[in-house]
Amino acid sequence: ETGVTQTPRHLVMGMTNKKSLKCEQHLGHNAMYWYKQSAKKPLELMFVYNFKEQTENNSVPSRFSPECPNSSHLFLHLHTLQPEDSALYLCASSQDRSSGTYNEQFFGPGTRLTVL
Amino acid sequence: SQQGEEDPQALSIQEGENATMNCSYKTSINNLQWYRQNSGRGLVHLILIRSNEREKHSGRLRVTLDTSKKSSSLLITASRAADTASYFCATPYSGAGSYQLTFGKGTKLSVIP
Repeated sequence: ETGVTQTPRHLVMGMTNKKSLKCEQHLGHNAMYWYKQSAKKPLELMFVYNFKEQTENNSVPSRFSPECPNSSHLFLHLHTLQPEDSALYLCASSQDRSSGTYNEQFFGPGTRLTVL
Repeated sequence: SQQGEEDPQALSIQEGENATMNCSYKTSINNLQWYRQNSGRGLVHLILIRSNEREKHSGRLRVTLDTSKKSSSLLITASRAADTASYFCATPYSGAGSYQLTFGKGTKLSVIP
């Protein structure tokens, strides 16, 4: 148990569906992240929130929409996805120090998403 | 962005043997981290080594860092079947307003009982 939870753990959706992934961290961290992990590809950073403000959006298609209502919760809203979006979506959190030196990340178990 | 690249991509050993994985990165860093991922699960932080450290131990793990060669190694001694997982190195870089990690593709370790 890393202190980061994700729901649901598995999700199957059609291309016309709208669904949301939820992440919650119980570590008092101020930074949260969404990553996408596809087979045989490096972990891809999608979004970063620091103190609830989005600080990074790595050219992610608009069919993925993040929301961070507070520093403990992070959502990823999904709509009109494509089959190639099927992947493991991982949430992580860290304590973002202003000195920026030591920022180990704590990961949730992930949501396995399948788009039909 | 900086990226760590692990080598080998896959490694299969017998239980009790040592496993060594390597990581190379491109630009200067202030720390390097190793993570482990069991199949289909989240990553778990194993160890962090700072740029002014050359070697660090944690249980059966030994990490080295050579900043002149921009490389790091992770050694798992006396491996167990439970060590079967993918191992990733990660290097930090400064994004716009926050500090982030870039991960390599990982080394998939199989420990055969």
